[in-house]
Amino acid sequence: GIQVEQSPPDLILQEGANSTLRCNFSDSVNNLQWFHQNPWGQLINLFYIPSGTKQNGRLSATTVATERYSLLYISSSQTTDSGVYFCAVERDAGGTSYGKLTFGQGTILTVHP
Amino acid sequence: DAGVTQSPTHLIKTRGQQVTLRCSPKSGHDTVSWYQQALGQGPQFIFQYYEEEERQRGNFPDRFSGHQFPNYSSELNVNALLLGDSALYLCASSAGIVFRVEQYFGPGTRLTVT
Repeated sequence: GIQVEQSPPDLILQEGANSTLRCNFSDSVNNLQWFHQNPWGQLINLFYIPSGTKQNGRLSATTVATERYSLLYISSSQTTDSGVYFCAVERDAGGTSYGKLTFGQGTILTVHP
Repeated sequence: DAGVTQSPTHLIKTRGQQVTLRCSPKSGHDTVSWYQQALGQGPQFIFQYYEEEERQRGNFPDRFSGHQFPNYSSELNVNALLLGDSALYLCASSAGIVFRVEQYFGPGTRLTVT
């Protein structure tokens, strides 16, 4: 199956700092989503970004599908940004895996005041 | 606009018992997928339901089964519970099974097997 690797595994920042999270995947994908998992386990949709660049406030994301990676940028980080960030992809398998997301191991972000 | 809902929030069961978890998809969605998230890991795909049929299945034993109802809600059943089944169970919904659709997750059910 497709492999999804996220880096770094852990990231500790001071409030106000910027950061970049990376997601590499081993095969062609139809879909890529970034999620933030809060302490209660809820997965919050950040970006649906199979290709291109999107921005939402202090967050932005870029996916270069041809080179099999995606980046999540967090600017001016806040303590509320703390949590686990997951990248999830849907492999392009010719119609046999629509809707099946494969997740990376996540990046644990801690933002200190 | 109601999001994905799951019940119960928490559940404690004993080894060998059976459990049923429930999920209602986001308004307008007709496809439900279930994921298991062990502590410290990313979620893993269990199976997907569309038009009341299992459409895809991940690498999980037959002890894991499901059902989808005409109103698109879904149940996940796990028989003969093992200690290793302790995890957060997440339900996701989407609109159809065509490609390039965004999935939305519910708050999860935390299952503890003792």
